[in-house]
Amino acid sequence: DGGITQSPKYLFRKEGQNVTLSCEQNLNHDAMYWYRQDPGQGLRLIYYSQIVNDFQKGDIAEGYSVSREKKESFPLTVTSAQKNPTAFYLCATREIGELFFGEGSRLTVL
Amino acid sequence: SQQGEEDPQALSIQEGENATMNCSYKTSINNLQWYRQNSGRGLVHLILIRSNEREKHSGRLRVTLDTSKKSSSLLITASRAADTASYFCATGGSNYKLTFGKGTLLTVNP
Repeated sequence: DGGITQSPKYLFRKEGQNVTLSCEQNLNHDAMYWYRQDPGQGLRLIYYSQIVNDFQKGDIAEGYSVSREKKESFPLTVTSAQKNPTAFYLCATREIGELFFGEGSRLTVL
Repeated sequence: SQQGEEDPQALSIQEGENATMNCSYKTSINNLQWYRQNSGRGLVHLILIRSNEREKHSGRLRVTLDTSKKSSSLLITASRAADTASYFCATGGSNYKLTFGKGTLLTVNP
């Protein structure tokens, strides 16, 4: 099936640990995005990539890092520098203006 | 920064009634989109309206855009219990970024 796969769906992390969220797509879309969603809130843009080997910071990039070595993959690392990482993370691709979302990864810091 | 702001924050109606949600934004846009999110899931694209369009229909959805007032509305006619979800507007400018509002939580009671 074509789509976007995010893993893991649920993740628990101890304070001070880095964690990497996976996002894989087989839609052949160039642009990929990472958003963060907090309870009752909208989506805030963390990073986005328009093409392989290129990415730009979004509105809340501090404490996060990404890479875009392959068109299909756009992993997000939540580092220990992120002060409040507990949230729902959504990956998306974009084609002709429309965003296509994965099912999200819920990160909880213990 | 979140440009789009939806109103109301929450809306509860009976099946068969119409639901209207509004979105206001601050800066000039190329297009405005509406997305739906079921609880704990990814977002699903509903409709895109370009800045030179005033109204657009898709099934039971009707979207209007008033660029002079920097506002849009989403009307869902003959609502069903399955329409229960959060609805977000997203605005796009000249770059690849889409900015989301905080959403309207719609509850349709059977």
